[in-house]
Amino acid sequence: AQSVAQPEDQVNVAEGNPLTVKCTYSVSGNPYLFWYVQYPNRGLQFLLKYITGDNLVKGSYGFEAEFNKSQTSFHLKKPSALVSDSALYFCAVRDPSGNTPLVFGKGTRLSVIA
Amino acid sequence: GAGVSQSPRYKVAKRGQDVALRCDPISGHVSLFWYQQALGQGPEFLTYFQNEAQLDKSGLPSDRFFAERPEGSVSTLKIQRTQQEDSAVYLCASSSRHRTSGGAGELFFGEGSRLTVL
Repeated sequence: AQSVAQPEDQVNVAEGNPLTVKCTYSVSGNPYLFWYVQYPNRGLQFLLKYITGDNLVKGSYGFEAEFNKSQTSFHLKKPSALVSDSALYFCAVRDPSGNTPLVFGKGTRLSVIA
Repeated sequence: GAGVSQSPRYKVAKRGQDVALRCDPISGHVSLFWYQQALGQGPEFLTYFQNEAQLDKSGLPSDRFFAERPEGSVSTLKIQRTQQEDSAVYLCASSSRHRTSGGAGELFFGEGSRLTVL
């Protein structure tokens, strides 16, 4: 069965500094990988996804993520953090067959300090 | 509507009561998912509909949980004889793609229904 690990409950970063939110996954075969963001009292919003092709994918709000097959990782990155990026970030994985549901990690709370 | 709409946003129930949570997906979306998000946790899959057919209910925690989507649009998640461990945010998501279709369409989530069982 597929699974996702987000090893950090909380990430703190100063505004203007680069940020990284870590994610590792386990799935049979090639994974479909996603990042979602959740602002307070809001639903999850899609940020970006990796299906195939270029290992570096770009998404909304200046975020990007790098797929690393050998390390089974899909870390979320942004070159320069904004205070408004403070939110809860979820990594998710599913297998390409679609016969299993999208599985989410437990989330990482990002706090960007001015 | 413009997005996925869920109601009620907040529900307080006494233990043993039945509750019904409604999801109105994006118009035309064939796939509908229910997830349960406990405090401090990621969303956990409950069930999946393709149009009106419930194709996967492997995540429903007990037979007290029941979901339906009779006309392939609005869905209702019903919890009978609620227990304190049912307290969570229940998220509904929809997608324009079938779950098994090629590619991977992203899910569009509602704001959730927060259930508190006293």
